Amino acid sequence: SSVLTQPPSVSVAPGQTARITCGGNNIGGKSVHWYQHKPGQAPVLVVFDDIERPSGIPERFSGSDSGKTATLTISRAEAGDEADYYCQLWDYNSDHYVFGPGTKVTVL
Amino acid sequence: EVQLVESGGGLVQAGGSLRLSCAASGFTFSNFWMSWVRQAPGKGLEWVANINQGGSEKYFVDSVTGRFTISRDNAKNSVYLQMNSLRAEDTAVYYCARDGSGSYYPARYFDIWGRGSLVTVSS
Repeated sequence: SSVLTQPPSVSVAPGQTARITCGGNNIGGKSVHWYQHKPGQAPVLVVFDDIERPSGIPERFSGSDSGKTATLTISRAEAGDEADYYCQLWDYNSDHYVFGPGTKVTVL
Repeated sequence: EVQLVESGGGLVQAGGSLRLSCAASGFTFSNFWMSWVRQAPGKGLEWVANINQGGSEKYFVDSVTGRFTISRDNAKNSVYLQMNSLRAEDTAVYYCARDGSGSYYPARYFDIWGRGSLVTVSS
């Protein structure tokens, strides 16, 4: 089954750009989705199908896919972007949803 | 407003049982696949189980297969997670989540989440 990797933490200065990567042995060709999760709150979908953004999500959040690595980019970072971010895909072999280990984003 | 509200969590002894409920509102519940996702203390998100619109298809993560069951009542706009033979490692916040597609085939991502219900299993 798929195993996803993410950096444990990413730090970014306010107004700068943060990039969170998601890699895995079987990520190529699969749709990757991204969630923002703040303590005590419901997770929020910020990017789906690699690059699509749900309504209500700021354009500052964008996704990309290079084939072996998916990336969530947060442009013009704000204090309110501090959260854990998780990538996720569907593993067709196991019929399971798979989440990455999560990346803690700190806006310094 | 589209909303999912979980209930039924609490403290239970190892080997015991608990039933979580998730009440949906603000959308046509019967059109959507539904899932349960959990987060153990200090850990990441883990998908637990899902169920299709009519309740005829159900899938589980390996670690809960045979112990947990998922069901739904479309007349009550609710989905349930029955947890038996609970273990300490089942301690987590359990989230109810809606699949992103309201069509027959699931989108395989979650567009709406509840705030979660804490389940604590004491050993």
